[in-house]
Amino acid sequence: GQNIDQPTEMTATEGAIVQINCTYQTSGFNGLFWYQQHAGEAPTFLSYNVLDGLEEKGRFSSFLSRSKGYSYLLLKELQMKDSASYLCAVNYNQGGKLIFGQGTELSVKP
Amino acid sequence: DTEVTQTPKHLVMGMTNKKSLKCEQHMGHRAMYWYKQKAKKPPELMFVYSYEKLSINESVPSRFSPECPNSSLLNLHLHALQPEDSALYLCASSQVGTGTYEQYFGPGTRLTVT
Repeated sequence: GQNIDQPTEMTATEGAIVQINCTYQTSGFNGLFWYQQHAGEAPTFLSYNVLDGLEEKGRFSSFLSRSKGYSYLLLKELQMKDSASYLCAVNYNQGGKLIFGQGTELSVKP
Repeated sequence: DTEVTQTPKHLVMGMTNKKSLKCEQHMGHRAMYWYKQKAKKPPELMFVYSYEKLSINESVPSRFSPECPNSSLLNLHLHALQPEDSALYLCASSQVGTGTYEQYFGPGTRLTVT
């Protein structure tokens, strides 16, 4: 299979930093996406990694290690509006097909 | 314009009804997707169209019938659905090429089958 694992839930405090991890099977890997999804809304694209290293986009950064089958999404200066589900999704060489992890429900508390 | 639109937003249908979901994008994307998402679960891919041709069917039951009339439109025709088909149906689009491209999602149609 192509299991993609991420924690089910995380809680963090407003203004803090949180790291959401994602592990995946490496065979056939062709890129990894992070999406944010607020309840009842569509997923929105956050970041894309295909090479090893860190991609930074404002308060959000994403890291990839292809050899370890590991990625993380780092959220800095957390805001209440960051409370959402964060989905890790991997493309496995199948013409655009994405395999999604189960999502991490992040709750940001005051 | 980076928007994918879907209609209707909500749909309630009986098990004997026939209805259609519609999706539209004007980003020039040549790949379009249908996903099904149940509550507290990730999106599950149903179909992929590439250059208006069906390229992936994830063994979806025939009561779901996709159609791609042109490069901007994607339909999902529904017939004889079951209550367990109730879910959020998401449409997405992306570029096509040798690389991997982000998918832009529409707001979804929340379907209830009674």
